[in-house]
Amino acid sequence: EAGVAQSPRYKIIEKRQSVAFWCNPISGHATLYWYQQILGQGPKLLIQFQNNGVVDDSQLPKDRFSAERLKGVDSTLKIQPAKLEDSAVYLCASRATGTANTGELFFGEGSRLTVL
Amino acid sequence: DAKTTQPTSMDCAEGRAANLPCNHSTISGNEYVYWYRQIHSQGPQYIIHGLKNNETNEMASLIITEDRKSSTLILPHATLRDTAVYYCIVRVGYGGATNKLIFGTGTLLAVQP
Repeated sequence: EAGVAQSPRYKIIEKRQSVAFWCNPISGHATLYWYQQILGQGPKLLIQFQNNGVVDDSQLPKDRFSAERLKGVDSTLKIQPAKLEDSAVYLCASRATGTANTGELFFGEGSRLTVL
Repeated sequence: DAKTTQPTSMDCAEGRAANLPCNHSTISGNEYVYWYRQIHSQGPQYIIHGLKNNETNEMASLIITEDRKSSTLILPHATLRDTAVYYCIVRVGYGGATNKLIFGTGTLLAVQP
């Protein structure tokens, strides 16, 4: 079974530039999460999707961050314009629903963003 | 979701059992205890979860106290590859669209050769 795919793995940009990260969850997983992990901290939830609908985006800085999951499969997280404090690893995770749901989240390897 | 408290770091000798404690004194009756770990430069990986009974799988054992206010993750024979940050998380069930994981800062386990 293929895992959660994320790209790019690494990205370096100047502040005020924009960046986009892509995530393809495990096939059939209806729930998708984006987490931000700053160095030395645990992952922080940014947004949660159920199919193509947003369930929770209370921690998403909406003035600069946006995310979509238009067809309920893959998802894109965008930052525009980027700030220095956005330097972090952006993790995507997915979870099965229904009878296949054990509560386990499956994480991708993350996209490391450096803002200069 | 209830808050958890874990030591910042621990050492363990290779081949010995690693016992990682977690305090969750405000846990509610319908909240599960989950453990994840994160090896350097990788995403978090699920280890085990439980409600009130002790659980064991191929990776680890989870011991939950009778009052459910604390738990211990046991890696029976630690190897160098077990060096990672271990997160103890408490959350309600695992169903429902609003279910999510809230991570703390975890315990950095360093397995020494």
